[in-house]
Amino acid sequence: EPEVTQTPSHQVTQMGQEVILRCVPISNHLYFYWYRQILGQKVEFLVSFYNNEISEKSEIFDDQFSVERPDGSNFTLKIRSTKLEDSAMYFCASSPRDRGTDTQYFGPGTRLTVL
Amino acid sequence: QQPVQSPQAVILREGEDAVINCSSSKALYSVHWYRQKHGEAPVFLMILLKGGEQKGHDKISASFNEKKQQSSLYLTASQLSYSGTYFCGTGTDSWGKLQFGAGTQVVVTP
Repeated sequence: EPEVTQTPSHQVTQMGQEVILRCVPISNHLYFYWYRQILGQKVEFLVSFYNNEISEKSEIFDDQFSVERPDGSNFTLKIRSTKLEDSAMYFCASSPRDRGTDTQYFGPGTRLTVL
Repeated sequence: QQPVQSPQAVILREGEDAVINCSSSKALYSVHWYRQKHGEAPVFLMILLKGGEQKGHDKISASFNEKKQQSSLYLTASQLSYSGTYFCGTGTDSWGKLQFGAGTQVVVTP
């Protein structure tokens, strides 16, 4: 069964450094999402992406964050200057359609640790 | 606005039933239920759309009361594999952005 993949599984970085988290969505999906989950807390929406542009973003997704689909398969989340509070599990999700009727399939996540 | 889930946690013996509630202060278009085991990604269980439908998946079912802006997840004859944290994700329109509740931790003991 096709699945969303994410790399790396764990990223450790120093505060102020840039990180890029990578995701390969399911191949025929058109809508992509990033969520994050701080340890022990709920999953939080960051951004949705369709047709090479952001369709919606949350208050968390400030100027330090950006997303890109550089080629036909990868979907990346960049944090320009990481802060301690960016430490969290970051999940990528994809969906065939950006509709409330459709399942969002989550990847296994990247654990980001900012020191 | 994030939905409110209750209870925060529940401990069950194998074979017992439980209900998890998810309430929103906003009108809902859809409710998505996920289960997450420790250290793993959320796994999709089911989606419910406005219209008050009920769905089932094995012995896990859910209902959606549009008027009350509430969904309930029913765990029937619980199995050890049902242990995990259950999240509801709510959509307030037909687009895909979901707001997740804080989760309900379910522990099923032998």
